[in-house]
Amino acid sequence: EAEVAQSPRYKITEKSQAVAFWCDPISGHATLYWYRQILGQGPELLVQFQDESVVDDSQLPKDRFSAERLKGVDSTLKIQPAELGDSAMYLCASSLAGRPDEQFFGPGTRLTVL
Amino acid sequence: GEDVEQSLFLSVREGDSSVINCTYTDSSSTYLYWYKQEPGAGLQLLTYIFSNMDMKQDQRLTVLLNKKDKHLSLRIADTQTGDSAIYLCAESGSSNTGKLIFGQGTTLQVKP
Repeated sequence: EAEVAQSPRYKITEKSQAVAFWCDPISGHATLYWYRQILGQGPELLVQFQDESVVDDSQLPKDRFSAERLKGVDSTLKIQPAELGDSAMYLCASSLAGRPDEQFFGPGTRLTVL
Repeated sequence: GEDVEQSLFLSVREGDSSVINCTYTDSSSTYLYWYKQEPGAGLQLLTYIFSNMDMKQDQRLTVLLNKKDKHLSLRIADTQTGDSAIYLCAESGSSNTGKLIFGQGTTLQVKP
């Protein structure tokens, strides 16, 4: 069964360092989403791509976060510099174009900032 | 604004039915969802309901939607210890672009 892949699964970093997370969506899924889930809360959308274009990045803290999906397939989310409050689970999801009702989530990257 | 609320914790005995409740604010949401999340893992889509439906049943899962009260519930029949997890309610919001608005999740504890 096709799955969304994410790496690394766990990342520990010190504040002010740079971190990057990678996501490979299900083949053929044009829409890709990055969510952040703080412990004890539900996920919150950071950025949504349709192919290589950003559809929604209204909740992305653009002073330190960046996201790209250069060839419209896999995607990278970067944080520079990391802050203590960035400690969270970063989830990637994908869906077929025009089918936002069925988003498939990857296992997530657990980030701890010390 | 868009907001989704859930109770934080539910404990049931194995074999009983579980009912997890959710309230939402955006009446224009097209879809409402239930996801399951095991500790330290990603989200698994359990089921979803279209906003013009009142009920949807899928094996042990029954979803009830009360649009007037903006209330969604998930009933799990014959709850098993493997059902212990966090259950997240989500709405699609007014934009219907795919952005999901999640509740904080209900932790279901199933006692043997």
